[in-house]
Amino acid sequence: AQSVTQLDSQVPVFEEAPVELRCNYSSSVSVYLFWYVQYPNQGLQLLLKYLSGSTLVKGINGFEAEFNKSQTSFHLRKPSVHISDTAEYFCAVSGDSGYALNFGKGTSLLVTP
Amino acid sequence: EAEVAQSPRYKITEKSQAVAFWCDPISGHATLYWYRQILGQGPELLVQFQDESVVDDSQLPKDRFSAERLKGVDSTLKIQPAELGDSAMYLCASSTRAGVQETQYFGPGTRLLVL
Repeated sequence: AQSVTQLDSQVPVFEEAPVELRCNYSSSVSVYLFWYVQYPNQGLQLLLKYLSGSTLVKGINGFEAEFNKSQTSFHLRKPSVHISDTAEYFCAVSGDSGYALNFGKGTSLLVTP
Repeated sequence: EAEVAQSPRYKITEKSQAVAFWCDPISGHATLYWYRQILGQGPELLVQFQDESVVDDSQLPKDRFSAERLKGVDSTLKIQPAELGDSAMYLCASSTRAGVQETQYFGPGTRLLVL
């Protein structure tokens, strides 16, 4: 089954600093990748997705991610974070059948002043 | 903006009791998913519906869990009897149809605590 690994469980960063949240996926012929954000006591919200085409994907709230086939990575980046970006971030890959998502364990982003 | 509705938001129960969760997907969404999210982990699929039919329930513990979507609209997930290890967030998601191009929209979840 397709899977993703999020390499950092927690990432502390200062406000207005850049951030990168790392995600690696299991190699496959076709892979469809997603980043979701979860604010405390809320459901998940889609930030961006890679299906095909341009390897640089832009999402909401100023986030972007780059699909790197040679390194089997799909890292999430933001050039300048805000306090409001504090949340749990999940990388996910579309499953082999039925299109349900296989999620990583999540990365907790903590933005401090 | 249309949203996925779930109730209750929080549920505390004792082990061996029965619990039920309800999900109302976005209107017109044919595909519905139930995920379980254990604290500190990512969500894991329990069951997927296409209209009223189950597409995938391979990860559903069928000895105690059941799910239905009788009219292909709202859905109920039931646990009987609940066990301590069932404490988790239960998330419902829906999409227009099954497919990688289709965004899954998540509800706020039901947080279950089994004592």
